[in-house]
Amino acid sequence: NAGVTQTPKFQVLKTGQSMTLQCAQDMNHNSMYWYRQDPGMGLRLIYYSASEGTTDKGEVPNGYNVSRLNKREFSLRLESAAPSQTSVYFCASSDGSGYGYTFGSGTRLTVV
Amino acid sequence: KQEVTQIPAALSVPEGENLVLNCSFTDSAIYNLQWFRQDPGKGLTSLLLIQSSQREQTSGRLNASLDKSSGRSTLYIAASQPGDSATYLCAVRGDSGGSYIPTFGRGTSLIVHP
Repeated sequence: NAGVTQTPKFQVLKTGQSMTLQCAQDMNHNSMYWYRQDPGMGLRLIYYSASEGTTDKGEVPNGYNVSRLNKREFSLRLESAAPSQTSVYFCASSDGSGYGYTFGSGTRLTVV
Repeated sequence: KQEVTQIPAALSVPEGENLVLNCSFTDSAIYNLQWFRQDPGKGLTSLLLIQSSQREQTSGRLNASLDKSSGRSTLYIAASQPGDSATYLCAVRGDSGGSYIPTFGRGTSLIVHP
């Protein structure tokens, strides 16, 4: 099925551990995004990539890094996880021509 | 900076009611507005997308309208059903500075009880 695929779906980390969240889309979209969603805070943009080869910071980039590996894949890395990074992470993509956004099913991350 | 507000934050209605969810935005220079549905523990599913040149979009029992001049969009749900229970979010995409980053509202949590 066409869409945005995120892995893993669930993850528990210990404080200080690192991990990479993977995202891939098969819709040939140019733009990709990483959001976190927390109760009472709504969706907040972490990083985005307007096109292959470019990445930019969003609203809450501290503690994260991203890589736009190719047009299909956009990964989010936590170098040293902190409990404040416990959240649900969503990847999204868009084609930039006004046809809206498609979201992945999310990664539920708990940092203990 | 664009700000998007959704009112009410929560809504509980009996099955069969027609209802309206509101989304307001502060900057009328928008490219499009998109309504999403989010079920508990799930991702966002796109419901309707309205381009800035359009006034409304319809899909089944859903109708979304857009009034750029007043900075408002409404999502109308006809004959609500328990399966409509979810959180509904609107996202506004700007039309300035080449930025296509959407601004999301915090959503309206809807419960439709039998």
